[in-house]
Amino acid sequence: KAGVTQTPRYLIKTRGQQVTLSCSPISGHRSVSWYQQTPGQGLQFLFEYFSETQRNKGNFPGRFSGRQFSNSRSEMNVSTLELGDSALYLCASSHGTGDQETQYFGPGTRLLVL
Amino acid sequence: AQSVTQLDSHVSVSEGTPVLLRCNYSSSYSPSLFWYVQHPNKGLQLLLKYTSAATLVKGINGFEAEFKKSETSFHLTKPSAHMSDAAEYFCVVSRTYKYIFGTGTRLKVLA
Repeated sequence: KAGVTQTPRYLIKTRGQQVTLSCSPISGHRSVSWYQQTPGQGLQFLFEYFSETQRNKGNFPGRFSGRQFSNSRSEMNVSTLELGDSALYLCASSHGTGDQETQYFGPGTRLLVL
Repeated sequence: AQSVTQLDSHVSVSEGTPVLLRCNYSSSYSPSLFWYVQHPNKGLQLLLKYTSAATLVKGINGFEAEFKKSETSFHLTKPSAHMSDAAEYFCVVSRTYKYIFGTGTRLKVLA
């Protein structure tokens, strides 16, 4: 099976712009989670989608949003970019049926905000 | 609330010597615990996971971890370090479909 794929892998934006990141989960997985990784804050949970519904949300401002499509692919959008949004954004997929499940991570999208 | 604490931000070992990366957890019920590894400029790879079936969990690349409820610990060990083990390691607890990550331990392996 193909792994989790994320596009694009690298992105440079300027403050005030918006950005959309894409994640394709492993075939058959219905849950997609998004995480932000920065040197200062480490890995932080953004949100999780299951069957097109946001099931769980972290403590991020409303500028961060996401959605999931019927084929389980997910997008994450950040509006009005700030310098502090520079980070590695990781997507993970799983079947979504419980806490004991393993989440499989993609390679990430590295976003640089200038 | 669920949380994990990785007790060392950096660990250095010589090649061929044992590795110990320490993780303590906090959980109000039996937790699901994981160890992931991240090599430079790469995503996260699962090393092993604990789901209450056995307290000693064996993972990939010779790593293992022991769940100790009395000590609320889930330390990661390997008998003999290899240069390719140099990476950052994350202890994770899972709660309501989200992962809560520790702050990471960067492992350096000296030749």
